[in-house]
Amino acid sequence: SQQGEEDPQALSIQEGENATMNCSYKTSINNLQWYRQNSGRGLVHLILIRSNEREKHSGRLRVTLDTSKKSSSLLITASRAADTASYFCATDWSTGFQKLVFGTGTRLLVSP
Amino acid sequence: SQTIHQWPATLVQPVGSPLSLECTVEGTSNPNLYWYRQAAGRGLQLLFYSVGIGQISSEVPQNLSASRPQDRQFILSSKKLLLSDSGFYLCAWSGFSYNEQFFGPGTRLTVL
Repeated sequence: SQQGEEDPQALSIQEGENATMNCSYKTSINNLQWYRQNSGRGLVHLILIRSNEREKHSGRLRVTLDTSKKSSSLLITASRAADTASYFCATDWSTGFQKLVFGTGTRLLVSP
Repeated sequence: SQTIHQWPATLVQPVGSPLSLECTVEGTSNPNLYWYRQAAGRGLQLLFYSVGIGQISSEVPQNLSASRPQDRQFILSSKKLLLSDSGFYLCAWSGFSYNEQFFGPGTRLTVL
């Protein structure tokens, strides 16, 4: 399937440390998106990177995309306890109507 | 600004009973609408999407159906629930440009 896979499945760090999550996918994409989900809540869009982009920044977030390796990484710098959540990558590979395929997620725990 | 609502927030239903989950979007016109299901600790599975009133596409054969009676209303239904229908149901919308999707708060359904 096209489903992306995040790595690691779970990550536990201390406040102030950086957190890096990786996503791999299987086919060519139009764009790749990262979402965040707090426990029991809906998803919140964090950042979108298009297939012709290699790196993108938004505040403390840095996303890279390597289309040759079909992989992406999300870096959260200077993490805070409030960053504790699950993070999902989603790939848009459709040729018509947009249909995102979500990965299985990385659970991030940031301890004070 | 745009907002998306889902109700109910939680629902416990017996096997064989009917289901109706509702999603409404405010502050935008002609949104693309999506229903997802998330199993515990897993990623999101796209169930249905809609580009307009009365236009529904199903992604996965299942015990559920969807309808869009109004431009900004999306309903997920079942005539007879199964145990396997338990999960967290999320509604989302996107605009014409097909970039990010905006998610509702979700409905947690438990079928007993």
